[in-house]
Amino acid sequence: AQSVAQPEDQVNVAEGNPLTVKCTYSVSGNPYLFWYVQYPNRGLQFLLKYITGDNLVKGSYGFEAEFNKSQTSFHLKKPSALVSDSALYFCAVRAGRDNFNTFYFGSGTKLNVKP
Amino acid sequence: DAGVTQSPTHLIKTRGQQVTLRCSPKSGHDTVSWYQQALGQGPQFIFQYYEEEERQRGNFPDRFSGHQFPNYSSELNVNALLLGDSALYLCASSKDRGHEQYFGPGTRLTVT
Repeated sequence: AQSVAQPEDQVNVAEGNPLTVKCTYSVSGNPYLFWYVQYPNRGLQFLLKYITGDNLVKGSYGFEAEFNKSQTSFHLKKPSALVSDSALYFCAVRAGRDNFNTFYFGSGTKLNVKP
Repeated sequence: DAGVTQSPTHLIKTRGQQVTLRCSPKSGHDTVSWYQQALGQGPQFIFQYYEEEERQRGNFPDRFSGHQFPNYSSELNVNALLLGDSALYLCASSKDRGHEQYFGPGTRLTVT
């Protein structure tokens, strides 16, 4: 069965410092991994995905994520955090059978960036 | 180019009632998925529609049903509402069952 885990409910970081939001996964077969961000009273916005290729994936708003197969992790990173990055972040793994795609989401990590 | 739209934005219902939520997919998309996001949790997959048929279903009871129309828009119906059905209901659309899903802003359902 496909699943993802986000071990931290909340991450606090000072503006300008690097940030990391952790995600580990469990899948059968090759993983398709995603990061989404959710601002208050908004839907989910796509940040980046890993399907195949380079283990370091670059996405929107300066975010990147590192795929590590041996550690089954897909941590989200940003070199320099902004106050506007404060939001709820979700890691997701592709699921579904045949040619149909759905997602299993983690429980989310609240990122607080302080000035 | 309009993205995914959902209506209504907010809804308050009484336990035992029935509710219908609506979703219009992003232009060019033909696949619609519905998710339930309870407070403080990640979204959970309810079901997915493609070519007007339910193609996949998550672990939700039969009280949750849906429909997809020829124009690809979709409805989510919930019967016999329970307090635990209070959540943000998210609609996501994709093209040809693809994994690039675009999410709408959601409908906040409160059951009292």
